[in-house]
Amino acid sequence: AQSVAQPEDQVNVAEGNPLTVKCTYSVSGNPYLFWYVQYPNRGLQFLLKYITGDNLVKGSYGFEAEFNKSQTSFHLKKPSALVSDSALYFCAVRDTQSGYALNFGKGTSLLVTP
Amino acid sequence: GAVVSQHPSRVICKSGTSVKIECRSLDFQATTMFWYRQFPKQSLMLMATSNEGSKATYEQGVEKDKFLINHASLTLSTLTVTSAHPEDSSFYICSARKTPSNTEAFFGQGTRLTVV
Repeated sequence: AQSVAQPEDQVNVAEGNPLTVKCTYSVSGNPYLFWYVQYPNRGLQFLLKYITGDNLVKGSYGFEAEFNKSQTSFHLKKPSALVSDSALYFCAVRDTQSGYALNFGKGTSLLVTP
Repeated sequence: GAVVSQHPSRVICKSGTSVKIECRSLDFQATTMFWYRQFPKQSLMLMATSNEGSKATYEQGVEKDKFLINHASLTLSTLTVTSAHPEDSSFYICSARKTPSNTEAFFGQGTRLTVV
């Protein structure tokens, strides 16, 4: 089965510092990988996706992610964190079964302090 | 961008009653919609996949008679929680894809269900 893992429950970073939220994947075949952000009691907002092509994917709100096949990772990054980036971040992989639904990681809570 | 609207955003109901949650794709036709359930501080768990005009496909462990899913049109899917119990209290989120080949899913804002 296609799956992703987010090893960190929480990431703390000071405003203005770079941030990284980690994600590793386990798939058969080529992975379709996604990052979503969730604010309290809200649905998910799409940040970016990797399907094919350049390993560095640029997304919304200044976020980017690097696809690393040798390390089976797809870490989310931002050069300079904002307090408003504080939210819950989910890595996801498209499931080749279940009608191509998304399988989500457990989520990582990002806290950016002033 | 594509917009998925979910209604209601919050609902409180009594044990034993049924609750219907609607998921609408506002500016595109969604041949496939997905229903997820999210427990506090946990990830989203896929409950079922619904394709327009056909029966939903439920994930293992999800009671299809309890969670009724209808996808009667290309812009509307509904999830009905029947005979609700307090343990059904959760955050339910729908998502929709434009076409079967489209890789990006758009999510509704979620519904907070509380069963008292």
